[in-house]
Amino acid sequence: GENVEQHPSTLSVQEGDSAVIKCTYSDSASNYFPWYKQELGKRPQLIIDIRSNVGEKKDQRIAVTLNKTAKHFSLHITETQPEDSAVYFCAASIIQGAQKLVFGQGTRLTINP
Amino acid sequence: NAGVTQTPKFRVLKTGQSMTLLCAQDMNHEYMYWYRQDPGMGLRLIHYSVGEGTTAKGEVPDGYNVSRLKKQNFLLGLESAAPSQTSVYFCASTTRTNSPLHFGNGTRLTVT
Repeated sequence: GENVEQHPSTLSVQEGDSAVIKCTYSDSASNYFPWYKQELGKRPQLIIDIRSNVGEKKDQRIAVTLNKTAKHFSLHITETQPEDSAVYFCAASIIQGAQKLVFGQGTRLTINP
Repeated sequence: NAGVTQTPKFRVLKTGQSMTLLCAQDMNHEYMYWYRQDPGMGLRLIHYSVGEGTTAKGEVPDGYNVSRLKKQNFLLGLESAAPSQTSVYFCASTTRTNSPLHFGNGTRLTVT
């Protein structure tokens, strides 16, 4: 089945700097790659997603890139702010009768003022 | 429009006890999922459903059962709770493939 590896597990950056989180997946049939942000004690919430027919997608300070050949995708956050501090999860979706999202282990991002 | 609602929010069980977690969604979504979240392990899929009356196993189904008798509800049951089932449980739903999951607020379960 699908396996998603996420790195790093923790990341600390200075406010205003950029943060990059990387994920690799194993199933070449995966075709949907969302990123979720989870604040402490809250539910995961989608921040951006990309489909396999697109190489890059941007939404203000957030961007995601996808390399299907290498089977990896990355989240880029520019001009980081204190409210970006959270745990971020990548996921990859396969469809076997139904969509099933397999999540990475998560990255705890801390923005230092 | 409440989205995805989970009850209860917190529960403490003793080993061997049983309980049912309820997930309700008012968005008319076809697909519903139960995940568990443990530190350092991300979210792991327990069971899922592609429509009323259907269920299927995910990555970690052992020790859990589910039912989807109505489209809007997805129940997760623990027949004989074990300490290894201490976790935060999230329900999620979505309307179609390759579309975002909508999560509930989670249920924090402790088994002593």
